[in-house]
Amino acid sequence: DAKTTQPPSMDCAEGRAANLPCNHSTISGNEYVYWYRQIHSQGPQYIIHGLKNNETNEMASLIITEDRKSSTLILPHATLRDTAVYYCIVRADYEISSGSARQLTFGSGTQLTVLP
Amino acid sequence: EAQVTQNPRYLITVTGKKLTVTCSQNMNHEYMSWYRQDPGLGLRQIYYSMNVEVTDKGDVPEGYKVSRKEKRNFPLILESPSPNQTSLYFCASSPLFDFDTQYFGPGTRLTVL
Repeated sequence: DAKTTQPPSMDCAEGRAANLPCNHSTISGNEYVYWYRQIHSQGPQYIIHGLKNNETNEMASLIITEDRKSSTLILPHATLRDTAVYYCIVRADYEISSGSARQLTFGSGTQLTVLP
Repeated sequence: EAQVTQNPRYLITVTGKKLTVTCSQNMNHEYMSWYRQDPGLGLRQIYYSMNVEVTDKGDVPEGYKVSRKEKRNFPLILESPSPNQTSLYFCASSPLFDFDTQYFGPGTRLTVL
């Protein structure tokens, strides 16, 4: 899986949009971009994922650049409860028959602090 | 309620005393996995299982064992714990072909003295 680079920390004012960047310059064509978050020592929580197109769900939006070398997770109206570590993960959709691991490789993530 | 449960949630033990951390899921998921989380290192996968009786090593398997005799359970076994296994452990599960819906347990904080 391609390596990802994220800033170690970011602040965002409550009610404003939080834009979390992720670089994955070595991403290959069959690799998806996933975002998870972890609120203080709880189990990680899936947020969103995408391959090429921008994606939106009830939690967030994912913007992937045309060359797919970077992406941005957008929380449109951040709240205090969004304070968490956000992980950007790139993984390939392995063939099950190959026996390869369908594993998520978590890096260090970005600590997002939403300020009142 | 769909969930992954882990027990115990907190455990303090001594070097060399065998222990088992249980993990159970009620979603009929094929895929289950164990991670450990350490400061500055993020989450690292220990072992995973793609179905009953099918397990394989993740990135940091040394010092751990697992078994998958039933679909719902995936215990993590430390035969002879050492202080470097002090960590926060997470169990996770997902359907085999729907990987984005990976559910994580609440975590087990283990301290080995």
